[in-house]
Parts: sequence; C-alpha cells; structure tokens
Amino acid sequence: GENVEQHPSTLSVQEGDSAVIKCTYSDSASNYFPWYKQELGKRPQLIIDIRSNVGEKKDQRIAVTLNKTAKHFSLHITETQPEDSAVYFCVSGQAGTALIFGKGTTLSVSS
Amino acid sequence: EAQVTQNPRYLITVTGKKLTVTCSQNMNHEYMSWYRQDPGLGLRQIYYSMNVEVTDKGDVPEGYKVSRKEKRNFPLILESPSPNQTSLYFCASSFTTSGGIYNEQFFGPGTRLTVL
Repeated sequence: GENVEQHPSTLSVQEGDSAVIKCTYSDSASNYFPWYKQELGKRPQLIIDIRSNVGEKKDQRIAVTLNKTAKHFSLHITETQPEDSAVYFCVSGQAGTALIFGKGTTLSVSS
Repeated sequence: EAQVTQNPRYLITVTGKKLTVTCSQNMNHEYMSWYRQDPGLGLRQIYYSMNVEVTDKGDVPEGYKVSRKEKRNFPLILESPSPNQTSLYFCASSFTTSGGIYNEQFFGPGTRLTVL
C-alpha cells in the first residue's frame, strides 16, 4: 500500500534557527500534500498545504517545497520560536482516496 | 461556532462490549474521516466518507465499522472491542471541491478509548 516516510522523528533546535522536516511518498498519483501541527494534548491543525501543480508555497515563517519527480516534499520553518514546539505530520493523498500520514516529527525549540 | 464534536471524550470498557463513538460537524462538509493515534505510529486512517452513503476503508479498518446516513454525522462502531484498539481516536471533516479534491481537515477534540 501507499507509504509516507517522514524524517527526522525528533528535531531539537535553538530559538531563531531554522528547522527542516522531510517526507517521501510512494504513490506517484498523489497530488495533495498538507502539513499538520499537533501541540501537546491538542488536536492536529493544518499549517500549510501544497498541490502538485505548485513547487513551493510560503506563509510567513513557514514554507513547503515539493519535488514530484523525486516524490518528496519538505517543511521549512525559519526563525523558530518556542511556540513552534509540537509534533508535525506530513500527509499525502489524491482526490477521493485515503490520506496517508507520516509518523510525525517532534520539534523542540529551546530558548 | 463551526466545529467537529466527538462523544464520549473518554471511555474505559471491557473486551467484547460493543461501543459507538459519535462524530458530528456543523460545517456542511462532504468529507469525514476517522483516525487513530498511537505513540510512534502517527495518525492512521480507519475509514473515510466522501459524502452521504459513501464510505471507504483507510489504512487500518479491521475491527471497525462506520455509517454515513446523514451529512453531519459519522459514527465509529466497535462491535467487539479488543485491547489492541486502545488508542486516541480523532474524527475530522472537510470540504471537497469538484472531483473529491481535498481541502483543510478540521479535527474533533479526540476520544481516548481504553479496552481492558
């Protein structure tokens, strides 16, 4: 079945540094790639998404890049802050089919 | 207030005792889905529904049933729960545009289930 590999599983950075999380998917038909953030004890929330007709998307300190040929996509967080500490999940899917989540990356930002 | 609600939020039960976890959304979303979250395994999709009377298996459907008789409700049924179904369960919903194209999913608060 379809698989999404997410790395690293844990990431520790100093406040102000950048953080990068990478995901690789297996189904070449996938065309929707959202990222969710889950703070401790809370529900996941969408932070950014990208579709296959776009190579990069930015929203303030957050950016996502997509390489369809290599079947991987990445989340970039610049100028990290303590409130960025959370678990981040990448997701892969296409219209009308199951959405596959990566296993998550625990990001810790220390001040 | 636009929201996804789940009930109960916490449940402790015993092996084999049928249970239902309800999920309701007030945003007129076509798409609804159930996930389970286990440490180290992330979120795994159990079942999803693209619209009323349309349901499909996700990654881990074994031991679960769902139904979608109304647009707003998507209950998760465990006919004979077992200890390996102890988990945190999330319901989610979203709009889908033409052709079932996904948009942002809104998650419920979660249901923590323990099966003894």
